[in-house]
Amino acid sequence: GEDVEQSLFLSVREGDSSVINCTYTDSSSTYLYWYKQEPGAGLQLLTYIFSNMDMKQDQRLTVLLNKKDKHLSLRIADTQTGDSAIYFCAESIHRDDKIIFGKGTRLHILP
Amino acid sequence: DGGITQSPKYLFRKEGQNVTLSCEQNLNHDAMYWYRQDPGQGLRLIYYSQIVNDFQKGDIAEGYSVSREKKESFPLTVTSAQKNPTAFYLCASSVNSGNDHGQFFGPGTRLTVL
Repeated sequence: GEDVEQSLFLSVREGDSSVINCTYTDSSSTYLYWYKQEPGAGLQLLTYIFSNMDMKQDQRLTVLLNKKDKHLSLRIADTQTGDSAIYFCAESIHRDDKIIFGKGTRLHILP
Repeated sequence: DGGITQSPKYLFRKEGQNVTLSCEQNLNHDAMYWYRQDPGQGLRLIYYSQIVNDFQKGDIAEGYSVSREKKESFPLTVTSAQKNPTAFYLCASSVNSGNDHGQFFGPGTRLTVL
């Protein structure tokens, strides 16, 4: 069945890079997403990548996809206090399919 | 400004009462979704609708009901049959064509059953 796994917590010093990892089980996954959730708020779509891509960069965010290992990562360069949030990895097979979410990684920024 | 609105932000209900959570979007999106979020459990899909007047059960539909009479609106009713309704409820929408991808979320409604 479909499953998305990610570690629950990550602590990073301010100014360092954060790398949040995710694995998924469905090799048919075509769309892979990263969402950010700040306390008490909804989810904000940060970026997405198609399965035929290896990498996507958007300002401080870099997404890497290893389709062979079904591994997705989100790198945040120069981590700031405003990056403190829960980050959800998610996948879907078709564009209009329901999306399967991981349980989220809580990113904590150390001073 | 286009977006998704959910109201109210906080909702309190007595045990045994039904309550309806509002979700409205002006993004002209075809599909709409309801999720429930509990601490440490991520998001679980309750119901979704890909087109007006049609909707499907998600993974945890028991004790919930929805309607989709208008494209813009997808209200969720939490019935008294829902055993543990206290949670954070998130509504989302998505478009099935064009350049947009992914689901866009509202700010959420926190429901507390007293």
